[in-house]
Amino acid sequence: QLQLQESGPGLVKPSETLSLTCTVSGASIRSSNYYWGWIRQPPGKGLELIGSMHYSGSTYDNPSLKSRVTLSVDTSKNQFSLKLTSVTAADTAVYYCAVTTVIMSAFDPWGQGALVSVSS
Amino acid sequence: QSALTQPPTASGSPGQSVTISCTGTSSDVGGHNFVSWYQQFPGKAPKLMIHDVNKRPSGVPARFSGSKSGNTASLTISGLQAEDEADYYCSSYTDNNSYVFGTGTKVTVL
Repeated sequence: QLQLQESGPGLVKPSETLSLTCTVSGASIRSSNYYWGWIRQPPGKGLELIGSMHYSGSTYDNPSLKSRVTLSVDTSKNQFSLKLTSVTAADTAVYYCAVTTVIMSAFDPWGQGALVSVSS
Repeated sequence: QSALTQPPTASGSPGQSVTISCTGTSSDVGGHNFVSWYQQFPGKAPKLMIHDVNKRPSGVPARFSGSKSGNTASLTISGLQAEDEADYYCSSYTDNNSYVFGTGTKVTVL
């Protein structure tokens, strides 16, 4: 059973880079079946795709965030990561990692989420 | 990309049906059969309820169903139960090779 778990700092200073990691269990990060993605939810607000990437390198992107986002995979640790640069208070949110497959265009499953606050 | 439009709230008594709409454009909902619906309880991660417009993942009760007409998708909960009280979000694949989510609907069981 595929499971995801986010990890990373809960507090980031403005203008710095937010970095989160998602550890995958129950599937290989090298699998051709999956897109590994990040979605965020500001407090009290709705969901927003940050981006997803396939092991081959193809991606789904949010045009409004694309210039600040770097997605990567670490095959040795079976993890994938998010870096979001030049953060502001508007980037304060719960960040979820989630998976889509090549045969089902929906996010399932999701990690439990990680709250990241941007504050000095 | 603009969020898909959902009503902020919906409600019904136990046993009744409630339908939530999700309105987009021909570049997302109307142009692709890749609409999904998620249920979210406070402080919890979203859970997939419907994918590809009207397909239920294993374990999702049959009282949850999805449909689409033009640029609007809908989620119907038939035989509403107290445990269905939650926030619901739609999502669609887009022409920009991305995904957009809806604004969210809080379902209240009266």
